[in-house]
Amino acid sequence: ILNVEQSPQSLHVQEGDSTNFTCSFPSSNFYALHWYRWETAKSPEALFVMTLNGDEKKKGRISATLNTKEGYSYLYIKGSQPEDSATYLCASNSGGSNYKLTFGKGTLLTVNP
Amino acid sequence: NAGVTQTPKFRVLKTGQSMTLLCAQDMNHEYMYWYRQDPGMGLRLIHYSVGEGTTAKGEVPDGYNVSRLKKQNFLLGLESAAPSQTSVYFCASSYASWQADGNTIYFGEGSWLTVV
Repeated sequence: ILNVEQSPQSLHVQEGDSTNFTCSFPSSNFYALHWYRWETAKSPEALFVMTLNGDEKKKGRISATLNTKEGYSYLYIKGSQPEDSATYLCASNSGGSNYKLTFGKGTLLTVNP
Repeated sequence: NAGVTQTPKFRVLKTGQSMTLLCAQDMNHEYMYWYRQDPGMGLRLIHYSVGEGTTAKGEVPDGYNVSRLKKQNFLLGLESAAPSQTSVYFCASSYASWQADGNTIYFGEGSWLTVV
């Protein structure tokens, strides 16, 4: 079982602030790194899936980077809005398949108006 | 555009009762999964299936059984429910990894189960 760690556990920011979170994972046998956005009482929604070292992906104000050699990924949110409030999950796997995906415990982001 | 649908959404069981959670997906995905979510813990894989008629154990399989008789359905059974199985259960599905979009996992909205 992989050990996927996320930090911080929770984060409060003001509307308009930019913020970032970290996901660390074992770099050996790396296959893919996933980021999900999870709002209370809804299903986790895929943000990014990254597989290559140095990958950078962007969706609107949210972007992510991947360093597979040192085993970390950053998620950035530029100009946070109250609707960005959610838990952000990362997950990683080894062995080349989704059924070995291990999730971190998530970072709970609260954006205050 | 249904995606992944789980039923029931809420259920209260007495210890020792049995029940089945049903998951259905309409995306023709090969892989299907059952996860549980508990406070302070990440999503943990209970069982998964890589195709119709096949199932395998995940990280926390004890106390659960699964079946995948049809490609679009994945059933999670609790034969004798215990309070430790109080949790939120998520079904998910994906294409096989080597296909386009094969790495993205799509989740259902969750099933809240309480065992008293």
